[in-house]
Amino acid sequence: AQKITQTQPGMFVQEKEAVTLDCTYDTSDQSYGLFWYKQPSSGEMIFLIYQGSYDEQNATEGRYSLNFQKARKSANLVISASQLGDSAMYFCAMRGVLLQGGSEKLVFGKGTKLTVNP
Amino acid sequence: DAGVIQSPRHEVTEMGQEVTLRCKPISGHDYLFWYRQTMMRGLELLIYFNNNVPIDDSGMPEDRFSAKMPNASFSTLKIQPSEPRDSAVYFCASSTGRVGGSIRDTQYFGPGTRLTVL
Repeated sequence: AQKITQTQPGMFVQEKEAVTLDCTYDTSDQSYGLFWYKQPSSGEMIFLIYQGSYDEQNATEGRYSLNFQKARKSANLVISASQLGDSAMYFCAMRGVLLQGGSEKLVFGKGTKLTVNP
Repeated sequence: DAGVIQSPRHEVTEMGQEVTLRCKPISGHDYLFWYRQTMMRGLELLIYFNNNVPIDDSGMPEDRFSAKMPNASFSTLKIQPSEPRDSAVYFCASSTGRVGGSIRDTQYFGPGTRLTVL
């Protein structure tokens, strides 16, 4: 079974500084994908970034980057130059390879609440 | 292009009443997912469809829950009869499906329906 662990219930960061949100995962699949979503207080789930298990380079999307360490089974999200609008819940999720009879479902972590202070 | 559309955004009902949540996926997306989010259990998949066919409903909590997808642009999640423990945010998400065997298939979420059962 797949499992996502986010050990930081809450994080605080000063505006304009960088912050790293931790995510570790457990899977027996050789091929899998890792996703990060942002959920602001308004409630919607916003896709941020994706990392494939066989991607040679760490994923980047603007101020978001993923520190992917396959051997350690970690996929930490790095937000550079934090902004007040980055205050939100952040969820790490994974999906494994589709096996016969398997599911497309995403498995989510419990999330980390990030607060950006002015 | 419009994102995933859900209605209603908020629903307050009394225990025992029937509740119907609605979802319009992104045009061209072949997969549709229903998730439920609660403080206790986090985000959990209830059911998903591929080309309007239910594929995995193992997350549907009990027979009081049912979901349908009569066509590619519409899905419903029905709870009958509703109970206070059904209070949660219900998300609908859609995705294009796997391309060339890649597992890089992002699920895009709707704004959610906040259900309160009194």
